[in-house]
Amino acid sequence: LAKTTQPISMDSYEGQEVNITCSHNNIATNDYITWYQQFPSQGPRFIIQGYKTKVTNEVASLFIPADRKSSTLSLPRVSLSDTAVYYCLVGDIPPGKLIFGQGTELSVKP
Amino acid sequence: ETGVTQSPTHLIKTRGQQVTLRCSSQSGHNTVSWYQQALGQGPQFIFQYYREEENGRGNFPPRFSGLQFPNYSSELNVNALELDDSALYLCASSSALNYGYTFGSGTRLTVV
Repeated sequence: LAKTTQPISMDSYEGQEVNITCSHNNIATNDYITWYQQFPSQGPRFIIQGYKTKVTNEVASLFIPADRKSSTLSLPRVSLSDTAVYYCLVGDIPPGKLIFGQGTELSVKP
Repeated sequence: ETGVTQSPTHLIKTRGQQVTLRCSSQSGHNTVSWYQQALGQGPQFIFQYYREEENGRGNFPPRFSGLQFPNYSSELNVNALELDDSALYLCASSSALNYGYTFGSGTRLTVV
């Protein structure tokens, strides 16, 4: 399974757009990119998943360049409630085991 | 509403004891996985069950075992508890048609 690298922490302010980039240089042809969000003392929550180019849902957008060696999760106009840890994962579909790194701890300030 | 329910939410056990954690998955979710999350770390894969058979295991010793039942519930059993087993234990379920797992809120296990 491809290893992912993401910043350990990020700070932002309410109303700003936040972009979290994940590096996955060894991504395989069959791998999809999935992002999860986790609040303290809760389980991770699926945010978005994609294979290439751009995916958008009601929560976020996911940008994947042509070489697929990285991806960027974009959160538009963050609020205090977006303060959480965000995990980037790479793997097959249907999902087998999920390999979590340390994630990116996003802190949104007023 | 998560769709995956775990019990109990918190538990304190003594070193050497045995513990059983329970998970109730969403109807139709025939794949269930268990994860251990230490403080400040990402979840670590323990094992996965598909249609009541174990079909994948992480780097955890045999004293970690599990069961999956036809009614979409499952159990994680840990024998001979050690202090390092203190963690948040997460259950996650998925159907073959889903692209992502649905996680429960976890059981916080403290071993003293």
